[in-house]
Amino acid sequence: AQKVTQAQTEISVVEKEDVTLDCVYETRDTTYYLFWYKQPPSGELVFLIRRNSFDEQNEISGRYSWNFQKSTSSFNFTITASQVVDSAVYFCALSESEKTSYDKVIFGPGTSLSVIP
Amino acid sequence: KAGVTQTPRYLIKTRGQQVTLSCSPISGHRSVSWYQQTPGQGLQFLFEYFSETQRNKGNFPGRFSGRQFSNSRSEMNVSTLELGDSALYLCASSSNLYSGANVLTFGAGSRLTVL
Repeated sequence: AQKVTQAQTEISVVEKEDVTLDCVYETRDTTYYLFWYKQPPSGELVFLIRRNSFDEQNEISGRYSWNFQKSTSSFNFTITASQVVDSAVYFCALSESEKTSYDKVIFGPGTSLSVIP
Repeated sequence: KAGVTQTPRYLIKTRGQQVTLSCSPISGHRSVSWYQQTPGQGLQFLFEYFSETQRNKGNFPGRFSGRQFSNSRSEMNVSTLELGDSALYLCASSSNLYSGANVLTFGAGSRLTVL
């Protein structure tokens, strides 16, 4: 069965600190996709990144970076020099492989990040 | 390009009543998914529609139902409301061009309170 675990329920950091959000997933599929979404206080989830299971190259986008390690089934997300606007709930998610044609994304429980000025 | 629109944004119902929530996807998106978000259970998949057909359903009782219209707009209905149905109901659409890899675009949600 598929499962996404985000062990950190809540994190508080002071502005300009770096913070890493952990994500561990379980799947029996060999091909799958991982995502990170951000949910600000307004409630609307916003897509941040997608990674397929064959692409373990880490990615950096501005202050955001992602570390995908298939060997440990982890897909961690780091925010460098955090800002107050980064305060939100962050969800890691997993989607089934090409065996299915429908959209069914399994979300982790989310990590609530508070950046204190 | 307009985003995913959900109506109503907030509503209050009493136990035993029923409710219908509406979702208009991004133009051109044919797949619509529904999720229930609660503090205790997080984001849980309800169902997914594509071309007016329900292709997948989550583990929810039959009181939860939905449909999709020919213009891809979707509605979900919850009958005989229970207190535990209080939640934020999120709708998401995708182009569904890539199996398993589709990025979901979410609406702002409909917050249902059951008294």
